[in-house]
Amino acid sequence: SQKIEQNSEALNIQEGKTATLTCNYTNYSPAYLQWYRQDPGRGPVFLLLIRENEKEKRKERLKVTFDTTLKQSLFHITASQPADSATYLCALVGPGGSYIPTFGRGTSLIVHP
Amino acid sequence: GAGVSQSPSNKVTEKGKDVELRCDPISGHTALYWYRQSLGQGLEFLIYFQGNSAPDKSGLPSDRFSAERTGGSVSTLTIQRTQQEDSAVYLCASSGTTKETQYFGPGTRLLVL
Repeated sequence: SQKIEQNSEALNIQEGKTATLTCNYTNYSPAYLQWYRQDPGRGPVFLLLIRENEKEKRKERLKVTFDTTLKQSLFHITASQPADSATYLCALVGPGGSYIPTFGRGTSLIVHP
Repeated sequence: GAGVSQSPSNKVTEKGKDVELRCDPISGHTALYWYRQSLGQGLEFLIYFQGNSAPDKSGLPSDRFSAERTGGSVSTLTIQRTQQEDSAVYLCASSGTTKETQYFGPGTRLLVL
């Protein structure tokens, strides 16, 4: 069955360091992959999208990589700040134009001042 | 402009009662999604509306769950004969011409006693 895995353990890092979050998937051929941020008590907020034929995407301090051979995406936040503390969700959308994301459980990031 | 809104923000009900949850998507958005998120779990897809097409109901967990979208705008998710396992946060999202980006509402927190 299709599976999307994100580290269930919280990632704790010091302010100013680069945070790297991982999203692995199995039995899936995504057309594209999304990353969202979710704060407690709020809905997810879309951050970045990367397509199957793209290796890397950047937006300000964010960088996403996508390796369809390894079936893995890495999400990096450079020069992290305490305000970056949140849960980060990856989501995959399959081919065929369904536009329905399937979400991982998310990884909590805690940036310490 | 206004984002996706959901009401009520919190709902407490007794087992066996019916509940209705409302979603107002972003004006002009043709696609609307319902997800639910249980404590510590990922987002679980429930139903997807796209324009005038028949909705994709493949994620509804049982026939106690139904949803409608009137006039291509507001949507109502109805849960009949609620059970304790229905307790979760119910999230609505919409997307417009850029179907690959979903905008989420704040969610309705449902507690079934």
